[in-house]
Amino acid sequence: KAGVTQTPRYLIKTRGQQVTLSCSPISGHRSVSWYQQTPGQGLQFLFEYFSETQRNKGNFPGRFSGRQFSNSRSEMNVSTLELGDSALYLCASSRSEETQYFGPGTRLLVL
Amino acid sequence: AQKITQTQPGMFVQEKEAVTLDCTYDTSDPSYGLFWYKQPSSGEMIFLIYQGSYDQQNATEGRYSLNFQKARKSANLVISASQLGDSAMYFCAMIPNTGNQFYFGTGTSLTVIP
Repeated sequence: KAGVTQTPRYLIKTRGQQVTLSCSPISGHRSVSWYQQTPGQGLQFLFEYFSETQRNKGNFPGRFSGRQFSNSRSEMNVSTLELGDSALYLCASSRSEETQYFGPGTRLLVL
Repeated sequence: AQKITQTQPGMFVQEKEAVTLDCTYDTSDPSYGLFWYKQPSSGEMIFLIYQGSYDQQNATEGRYSLNFQKARKSANLVISASQLGDSAMYFCAMIPNTGNQFYFGTGTSLTVIP
């Protein structure tokens, strides 16, 4: 069974731009969660989607948004990028409230 | 409120020795799941072991075991016979059964010394 995949793996953007990250969950998993990881703040929860509905949202500004498609694939979007948005963005999938399996992450650098 | 605490920012262990990584948690939920993940320098979070709050026995997965002490609200990870490839960040996490969000600790950096 294929694992969680995330694209792109690396991304360089400039301030003010927007970015879209993609996550394909493990087949059969309907829950997708997104996390931001930085050296200073650690792992921070962004949001969680289940069956195309956002069930949970972390404490991030409205510039961070996401969605989930009917095939459970998920995207997150960050608009008006700031230097502080440079981070590793991790996506995790699970069947429901069970073990989350993570993808390799997308490393975003904002210049 | 849910909280995970990992008090050891960094740990060193000699190859082939055992090491314990500490994790305490705080939750008012009577039912929850506890997890440990490993994050090598590549960045991917690798699931290691799971313990349910009502499980009577401590979970084990190969060289990994979870020392679960419910009354103390601790879920320490024990790695036996450490290998060089065990050098990584280790995160403790919890999900309450009444919710659908994972809560992570700040992590412990483990270095295995040859």
